[in-house]
Amino acid sequence: DQQVKQNSPSLSVQEGRISILNCDYTNSMFDYFLWYKKYPAEGPTFLISISSIKDKNEDGRFTVFLNKSAKHLSLHIVPSQPGDSAVYFCAAIPGGNTPLVFGKGTRLSVIA
Amino acid sequence: DSGVTQTPKHLITATGQRVTLRCSPRSGDLSVYWYQQSLDQGLQFLIQYYNGEERAKGNILERFSAQQFPDLHSELNLSSLELGDSALYFCASRRDIMNTEAFFGQGTRLTVV
Repeated sequence: DQQVKQNSPSLSVQEGRISILNCDYTNSMFDYFLWYKKYPAEGPTFLISISSIKDKNEDGRFTVFLNKSAKHLSLHIVPSQPGDSAVYFCAAIPGGNTPLVFGKGTRLSVIA
Repeated sequence: DSGVTQTPKHLITATGQRVTLRCSPRSGDLSVYWYQQSLDQGLQFLIQYYNGEERAKGNILERFSAQQFPDLHSELNLSSLELGDSALYFCASRRDIMNTEAFFGQGTRLTVV
């Protein structure tokens, strides 16, 4: 049973436009959410996070939105750049020093 | 550089064999997590150690085992290897603080032939 779902395996966006990556979760105990970016042959790299007490967190071109009632979060990248092309993983933690639960990832391609 | 070191980067071995993957966490991180990423799959949690003790277990096969040593490095042992064990194995470490990110190593790509 997948607790964190990324229903779009891939997304293609033109350079300069907005990229929106979506993630749904089923476990109401999750209280911290993270996005990771992964290039081929490298480990996942932390991008941005959000606590369940917030609905938005922004860091430069990256913004994460959390809708707790819908159990949905999204990552917005504006403007998208070719270097953003990677696989993006959504992850969640039920609190404390517990393992991160990951989605299957969305492959983003930013076309110049 | 995440500060998490995994060795080896690549490993090719035959079915039925046993291998050991090694992970050195970031300085000061007491928690180590092992994840497996198979083709087109997400990151599947295998096992977590905290300060030398097993803290949580995920989808880890009985043929697999792990340990964390007093210097906090960790090893993942995979035995009686099967073709389906071919995957990327990642180690991550994390501070023992509420709601912090985990830092990942570059992974070990295991190929079982």
